Amino acid sequence: AQKITQTQPGMFVQEKEAVTLDCTYDTSDPSYGLFWYKQPSSGEMIFLIYQGSYDQQNATEGRYSLNFQKARKSANLVISASQLGDSAMYFCAMRGPPGGKLIFGQGTELSVKP
Amino acid sequence: GAVVSQHPSRVICKSGTSVKIECRSLDFQATTMFWYRQFPKKSLMLMATSNEGSKATYEQGVEKDKFLINHASLTLSTLTVTSAHPEDSSFYICSAMAAYGYTFGSGTRLTVV
Repeated sequence: AQKITQTQPGMFVQEKEAVTLDCTYDTSDPSYGLFWYKQPSSGEMIFLIYQGSYDQQNATEGRYSLNFQKARKSANLVISASQLGDSAMYFCAMRGPPGGKLIFGQGTELSVKP
Repeated sequence: GAVVSQHPSRVICKSGTSVKIECRSLDFQATTMFWYRQFPKKSLMLMATSNEGSKATYEQGVEKDKFLINHASLTLSTLTVTSAHPEDSSFYICSAMAAYGYTFGSGTRLTVV
């Protein structure tokens, strides 16, 4: 069975600082994908970054990077130069083989302080 | 591209009535649609997976007769909450597989009074 865990219910970060949101996972599938989404108070799910299990390099998308440590089964999200607009819920998610269902972690509420 | 339109965005209904939520893929064919339920500041819990033209696959603990899912075409999937009760009040959101990953509807906030 697949499992994904976010152990930080809430995080605070000072504007312009970097922050790391933790995510660990467990799966027996050799092929899987890891996703990070941002959910502002409006409820929409905003895709941030994706990492495939066979990807050799850590994924990066602008200010977002994914610290993928396969042996430790962790996929932490790093947000650099935090902005006030980054305040939101952040979800780590995993799918098994392509086309499969996406399961979500518990979420981390990030608050950026001015 | 890969847009999923979800309606309504908010609905208030009386206890005992049924509510239908629609998700339409606007510019692609969604053979598979996922339905999630979310409580405030909680995770998205997968309720069911629907495939076009076949019966939905429900997650353990989800009442099939209460949450009716229909995926009659490649562009439309619906979730009907039957005989709604206040405990069904929640945020419901759909997601479809598109070419480059999962795309989500904007969600429906259901309040049962």
